[in-house]
Amino acid sequence: QKEVEQDPGPLSVPEGAIVSLNCTYSNSAFQYFMWYRQYSRKGPELLMYTYSSGNKEDGRFTAQVDKSSKYISLFIRDSQPSDSATYLCAMSEGGGSNYKLTFGKGTLLTVNP
Amino acid sequence: GAVVSQHPSWVICKSGTSVKIECRSLDFQATTMFWYRQFPKQSLMLMATSNEGSKATYEQGVEKDKFLINHASLTLSTLTVTSAHPEDSSFYICSVQIQAGETQYFGPGTRLLVL
Repeated sequence: QKEVEQDPGPLSVPEGAIVSLNCTYSNSAFQYFMWYRQYSRKGPELLMYTYSSGNKEDGRFTAQVDKSSKYISLFIRDSQPSDSATYLCAMSEGGGSNYKLTFGKGTLLTVNP
Repeated sequence: GAVVSQHPSWVICKSGTSVKIECRSLDFQATTMFWYRQFPKQSLMLMATSNEGSKATYEQGVEKDKFLINHASLTLSTLTVTSAHPEDSSFYICSVQIQAGETQYFGPGTRLLVL
């Protein structure tokens, strides 16, 4: 079992739809959880960053972490064509030497106008 | 967040030559920088962790003599691909970490094509 599992998609939705992206993980020591957006031929851009369990909202984006289920989600409301990109989840144990990020494979999202 | 730049943004070179890629943290002093490689439609693969003033730590399977990393200052790390071959063609991305264990901020990437 891989440490982080993420459905690669592709996922295609109409403009205005609510998008749900998910990752599951096996390492219970992960404490820091991130979502990155990567446009084609660009570096990843940090979207959301959460520590431990809970929800975090930023504009149209909501990140949820359920450590008991080892499951994280990213919701995009009122999706726009400009949201079309690959979304990568990432997580780390944090602190000391455990600062490396473990990435999911990424989900390719297309929002159709 | 941190602003990270990379230079060059793309490079084409002949097989056997060496290529240097620079990664700069523009607004934070980064004691730790990371180098990743990404092949088409795949996720990021960590190559090495670059620590200012000390030797880089390479991931298993990454040849340290082929991918030379130098982190000479708190704002600059360089990756040199020595004797590049076509299989080294890839997208190379660096990142900086402001605080240990927390998130990383990525550069725009450097696309390398070895002919």
